[in-house]
Amino acid sequence: GENVEQHPSTLSVQEGDSAVIKCTYSDSASNYFPWYKQELGKGPQLIIDIRSNVGEKKDQRIAVTLNKTAKHFSLHITETQPEDSAVYFCAASMDFGNEKLTFGTGTRLTIIP
Amino acid sequence: DAGITQSPRHKVTETGTPVTLRCHQTENHRYMYWYRQDPGHGLRLIHYSYGVKDTDKGEVSDGYSVSRSKTEDFLLTLESATSSQTSVYFCAIKGGTGAYGYTFGSGTRLTVV
Repeated sequence: GENVEQHPSTLSVQEGDSAVIKCTYSDSASNYFPWYKQELGKGPQLIIDIRSNVGEKKDQRIAVTLNKTAKHFSLHITETQPEDSAVYFCAASMDFGNEKLTFGTGTRLTIIP
Repeated sequence: DAGITQSPRHKVTETGTPVTLRCHQTENHRYMYWYRQDPGHGLRLIHYSYGVKDTDKGEVSDGYSVSRSKTEDFLLTLESATSSQTSVYFCAIKGGTGAYGYTFGSGTRLTVV
């Protein structure tokens, strides 16, 4: 089955700086890669996703890049703000209807004011 | 999250007792999932459903069973709770506010003593 590794497990950055979280996956058949943000006491919430036919996708301060050859994808957050502090999860699945997402172990991002 | 509710939100139970967690959706989504979240493990799939009475196992299904007799309800049962099943349990639907991805419920914190 699919295995997703995520690094780092914790990340602290100064407010206004950029943050990068990286994930690798094992199954070359995977072609859907979402990122979720989880705030304390809540369920994870989808913030951005990318499919394998696209190398990069951007939504305001958030971007995701995908390298299918190397089987890794990354989340980039620019101009970080205190409300970006949360746990972030990457995930991977095959895009064939019933997507059973395999998640990474999470990154706790702390924005230092 | 809009359209998906989990109950109870918190529960403490004794080892060896059966426990049932409920996930209810109001948006008629076909796919529903149960995950557990533990430190260092991220989110791991327990069981999923692709329709009424159609369910299948995930990667950590031992000790759990599920039922889906109606589209809107997906029940997770711990047949005989053990301390290793102390966790936070999340239900998810494919779609909803998560569009193509998952929409998660707010979670059930289960403690087995």
